[in-house]
Amino acid sequence: AQSVTQLDSQVPVFEEAPVELRCNYSSSVSVYLFWYVQYPNQGLQLLLKYLSGSTLVESINGFEAEFNKSQTSFHLRKPSVHISDTAEYFCAVSDVRRKLIFGQGTELSVKP
Amino acid sequence: EAQVTQNPRYLITVTGKKLTVTCSQNMNHEYMSWYRQDPGLGLRQIYYSMNVEVTDKGDVPEGYKVSRKEKRNFPLILESPSPNQTSLYFCASSLGSGGDGYTFGSGTRLTVV
Repeated sequence: AQSVTQLDSQVPVFEEAPVELRCNYSSSVSVYLFWYVQYPNQGLQLLLKYLSGSTLVESINGFEAEFNKSQTSFHLRKPSVHISDTAEYFCAVSDVRRKLIFGQGTELSVKP
Repeated sequence: EAQVTQNPRYLITVTGKKLTVTCSQNMNHEYMSWYRQDPGLGLRQIYYSMNVEVTDKGDVPEGYKVSRKEKRNFPLILESPSPNQTSLYFCASSLGSGGDGYTFGSGTRLTVV
């Protein structure tokens, strides 16, 4: 069975500092990997996804994630965060049956 | 605008009073799903539908029902709500393969007293 573990429930960081949100997954089959972001009182928005090909994927707002098959990880990084990045971030894995399995979420809190 | 629309956004009800949360998508997506979100547990799948008249249980289906009579609509029914169903509910839809990801609705915050 597939599962996703987000290693940090809360990550506080100062504005303009780098951040890494960690995600590990387990699966016996090929998977698709996703990061979703949830701003306060809103639904989830797709941030980026890995399907195949280049192991480094980027979003339009400066986040990137690297697929590491040997370590079964898909960590999310940003070199310099903004106050507006404060949100909850969810890592998820999907198989070809389209079911999304989510991690428990990481609350990113960016302080001035 | 392509979107998934859920109603209502907020609902407070009493134990045992049947309720329906509606979900509609305008993207002609085949796949639709309901999730509940609880603190520390992330999102857990309740039910999903691969297409019209095709539905199946997710990880936490107890106490819920769904139907898919039309492609665009996927209502969630709580026949006899209980306090442990107090949660934030999300409807989502997807076009095709597992690589498409989901489009989510804005959520329904349900409180059962």
